[in-house]
Amino acid sequence: DAGVTQSPTHLIKTRGQQVTLRCSPKSGHDTVSWYQQALGQGPQFIFQYYEEEERQRGNFPDRFSGHQFPNYSSELNVNALLLGDSALYLCASSLSGTGKPQHFGDGTRLSIL
Amino acid sequence: DQQVKQNSPSLSVQEGRISILNCDYTNSMFDYFLWYKKYPAEGPTFLISISSIKDKNEDGRFTVFLNKSAKHLSLHIVPSQPGDSAVYFCAASADGNNAGNMLTFGGGTRLMVKP
Repeated sequence: DAGVTQSPTHLIKTRGQQVTLRCSPKSGHDTVSWYQQALGQGPQFIFQYYEEEERQRGNFPDRFSGHQFPNYSSELNVNALLLGDSALYLCASSLSGTGKPQHFGDGTRLSIL
Repeated sequence: DQQVKQNSPSLSVQEGRISILNCDYTNSMFDYFLWYKKYPAEGPTFLISISSIKDKNEDGRFTVFLNKSAKHLSLHIVPSQPGDSAVYFCAASADGNNAGNMLTFGGGTRLMVKP
């Protein structure tokens, strides 16, 4: 039973570029959430997708956007990259409405030069 | 404003002794609390959770205590093992019956268990 998988593992971009990160949820899960973890801090909620729609959003600018596909996988897109976007991006999946915890992937380490 | 705080950035404990990690929160709407463990280069791994209708939940060596009046929770690990050395994150959500709700995390506590 595969857990949450994320790709790529590492990514290096320059300021102003655009990036797409990908996530496949744990088998049977229908909800995907994205978090940003800066060095030395706890993860911060970006947004959540359920039934292919953004259901909740944290305090992140519109440069951060996402998508969920019919197979429940998801993408996180970030436009006009800033140095401050350098972080570990974590994807978490869960089964909505069950009271069960979110399960995390190992993340994508994004470095902006 | 940090709604979930872990005031101890690090904790060092001898193998076999008890580890106590603490977490405070400010948002009264939080009703579901979780602890995650994170090793370097891995994602957070779920450890244990507690609903606000309870004040204690136990799973093997791990016990979580919730004091709603103080808005405080703690994770007890007994006995501590070297493999427990990791960063521990406290997290909270509102409407805990919906597992998909956003989690608000604390800043983490690095636990070091010495052999």
